[in-house]
Parts: sequence; structure tokens; C-alpha cells
Amino acid sequence: DIVMTQTPLSLSVTPGQPASISCRSSQSLLNSDGRTYFYWYLQKPGQPPQLLIYEVSNRFSGVPDRFSGSGSGTAFTLKISRVEAEDVGVYYCMQSVQLPYTFGQGTKLEIK
Amino acid sequence: QVQLQQSGPGLVKPSQTLSLTCAISGDSVSSKTAAWNWIRQSPSRGLEWLGRTYYRSKWYTDYAVSVRSRITINPDTSKNQFSLQLNSVTPEDTAVYYCARGSYDSSNYHQGDDYWGQGTLVTVSS
Repeated sequence: DIVMTQTPLSLSVTPGQPASISCRSSQSLLNSDGRTYFYWYLQKPGQPPQLLIYEVSNRFSGVPDRFSGSGSGTAFTLKISRVEAEDVGVYYCMQSVQLPYTFGQGTKLEIK
Repeated sequence: QVQLQQSGPGLVKPSQTLSLTCAISGDSVSSKTAAWNWIRQSPSRGLEWLGRTYYRSKWYTDYAVSVRSRITINPDTSKNQFSLQLNSVTPEDTAVYYCARGSYDSSNYHQGDDYWGQGTLVTVSS
């Protein structure tokens, strides 16, 4: 299985400040079709995960543009340009280039 | 708007079968641009993908190796839903279980799991 490793595991950010989360995969997520099968999700307290980013850098419908994704191969980053109170929760990276789909262990974002 | 509504018991005895159903509205279980997944979450294992079913001129299913000998995911076109059965459960199967829709573009690229059920906490205990 592909192992997804996130850093840091927790983050405390002042509203209006930026935040960054990294995710590394144990194998390249670039498929032979030329596309990268990498995603970011946010799980708010008491809710299921919600899709933020697909294909490394594409924001899902309705996701604010303060969220951005970047990276390639095995190293990826999620950036929040200005953290807001509603951004609290646990952020997960996920790969689907190979079954089974696998998730990172999660990064908990708190507001200072 | 796509909605996934989960149903099933929250308590299952060890060695018995866990059964959950996910009813779909706003899409079709036979959609050729979707796959229908079961994912679980526990403190010890985190988010764990269990398997999926999808239709691309015929039905396909894929399962995680970790549960392959015990799991069945079935579509039900008459009720527009899909189900999860996990046999011979142990306390390690205690988790919140989610159904989720995987969305695919015209070139069959996975665009992420964009709609999720509300989650069902299943406890395995006598």
C-alpha cells in the first residue's frame, strides 16, 4: 500500500495568518495517463470529510480561493493564505493512483 | 444536489455480520461517472478505504486486501442504493462507517470523493 505521511500533525494559527500542511507519499502519484491522483480533504468536527482539492491543485466547487494546493510526484502542500475560524478541523491528504486508496494520518488545525 | 443517506444497526455482536445501506438521491448507482465507496474511520486505523462498486457497461467491485475475505459491496438498481456487508466482525471493526461518491470526468479521471453519507458508528460488542 502507498503510505501517506503528513506534517505537522497539529497546527495552531492566528486568524488572518497563513498555514501550510505537507504530505509525502511513499510512491509517485503520477499515473501513466499523465495525471496525478492526489487530493485534500477537511473534516470539521462531527462531520464527514469534505473534498477541498483534487488533482493536486484544483479547488472543488465552493472551496474558497484562500485554499491552494501544489506539488508533484511524491511531495505535496496545502496552503491557506489567511486562516479563518471556519477552517478548524482535521486535514487529510489522500491518493487514488493505486488501490487501496490511502489517507494521511491527518493534521489538526486549531485557531489561537 | 446529491445526497447519501446511510442506514443500518449501530451495534453488532462479534462473529456476526455488519450490514449497512447507502441510499442515493440526485444521482444513479448506475452512473458511468461515479463510483460508490465504503470508507471507515477509527482512532486506531484512521481513515480506511474498504471498497467500491461502479458501472462501466458492466458492474465492477474492488476491495481492500485487508478485508477482502469478509466484505461484499452490492449495488441495488431497483432502489438506487448500495450496501456493505462485513462478515465475522471483531471489536477491531468498531468504527464510523461512511459511504461516499467518487466522481470521474469524461476521461475516467478520479476527481475525488465529493459527497459523503452522514456516517454510522458501528460498535462490535457482545
